[in-house]
Amino acid sequence: QKEVEQNSGPLSVPEGAIASLNCTYSDRGSQSFFWYRQYSGKSPELIMSIYSNGDKEDGRFTAQLNKASQYVSLLIRDSQPSDSATYLCAVESQAGTALIFGKGTTLSVSS
Amino acid sequence: EPEVTQTPSHQVTQMGQEVILRCVPISNHLYFYWYRQILGQKVEFLVSFYNNEISEKSEIFDDQFSVERPDGSNFTLKIRSTKLEDSAMYFCASRDGMNSPLHFGNGTRLTVT
Repeated sequence: QKEVEQNSGPLSVPEGAIASLNCTYSDRGSQSFFWYRQYSGKSPELIMSIYSNGDKEDGRFTAQLNKASQYVSLLIRDSQPSDSATYLCAVESQAGTALIFGKGTTLSVSS
Repeated sequence: EPEVTQTPSHQVTQMGQEVILRCVPISNHLYFYWYRQILGQKVEFLVSFYNNEISEKSEIFDDQFSVERPDGSNFTLKIRSTKLEDSAMYFCASRDGMNSPLHFGNGTRLTVT
């Protein structure tokens, strides 16, 4: 059974702070990892993808991957109220035929 | 920017009826997916489709469900005899290659009464 685990939150941070979101996965053979953002009632939208161990930065977002620990994280710097949403971690199955999503972490950024 | 298009945005049906949810994936994408999300719960994988056949399906995707690519642009999900517990948001997604990100449509909210 492929599992992707996330702390459901809510994670509350003040505007301008760093938000740290974490995800663990069970399928050791997974090669591709994604972070999506989902606003209430809307579809998931891609924030970042990461494939190699280490950090990947895109604007205010940094994804971190540690395959040995089966751990993926997302840092959001200078958090804005518009970042308030549910953040979904998605992991590719080893066969590469499906993305498996975690339950998501709800982030609330207060102004 | 190309989009995945889903119709209808909202479908209401009675228990036991058949429904067909429609999707137009991004035109140069080869891999197609259906996910569902029950209100307040996680995005759950249903089925993946490539080269006119199912690549993988979850335990949720039982004999009541079927998928089809009837022509070069549409991708459909059929639920043969709907149950109350089928009420959910159904998302279609596509991508251009394995290990690429999924692009999601806006979803169809299915309400079974």
